[in-house]
Amino acid sequence: AQSVTQPDIHITVSEGASLELRCNYSYGATPYLFWYVQSPGQGLQLLLKYFSGDTLVQGIKGFEAEFKRSQSSFNLRKPSVHWSDAAEYFCAVGTPGGTSYGKLTFGQGTILTVHP
Amino acid sequence: NAGVTQTPKFQVLKTGQSMTLQCAQDMNHNSMYWYRQDPGMGLRLIYYSASEGTTDKGEVPNGYNVSRLNKREFSLRLESAAPSQTSVYFCASSEDRGGRTDTQYFGPGTRLTVL
Repeated sequence: AQSVTQPDIHITVSEGASLELRCNYSYGATPYLFWYVQSPGQGLQLLLKYFSGDTLVQGIKGFEAEFKRSQSSFNLRKPSVHWSDAAEYFCAVGTPGGTSYGKLTFGQGTILTVHP
Repeated sequence: NAGVTQTPKFQVLKTGQSMTLQCAQDMNHNSMYWYRQDPGMGLRLIYYSASEGTTDKGEVPNGYNVSRLNKREFSLRLESAAPSQTSVYFCASSEDRGGRTDTQYFGPGTRLTVL
């Protein structure tokens, strides 16, 4: 079965600083990878996803993520953080088929605090 | 186009009471999901429905039942609520065509407290 680890429970950055949120997955083949963001009291919104092809994917709100097969990672980055980026971020892995068809496995989440 | 809607937004129950959480989507998606979110544990899948008329257990199904009423609606029922079911519940839907996991779209959530 697949699993996802987000090693950082809480990250604090200053506004304007760069950001990298870590995500490591465990899966026997190339998984489908997602990053979602959750603002306080809200549902989850998709930031970006990787299915195949170019390993650097662009998302909404200026975010990007890079799939690195050798490291089983899919880290999320943003060159300059805005105060409105403060939220909780979830990495998730899905599989192409089989018994886990359609199901996502989520990491524990990383809470991002942005200081002015 | 409302996306995924959930009712109610908030609910307080006493131990042993029952209730049904409602979810509807207007995107003509095949698959629908129920998750619970607890601090530090991410989202855990309770039940899912790959198509109308089918349902299957997820990671934490005990204490819950579901009904896929039609393609639009997927309800979650707590028959006898327990304090351990205090959580935020999210419904999601996705198209999932051709055997491929697709983007899931989430509702705003239901915050449930069981006393």
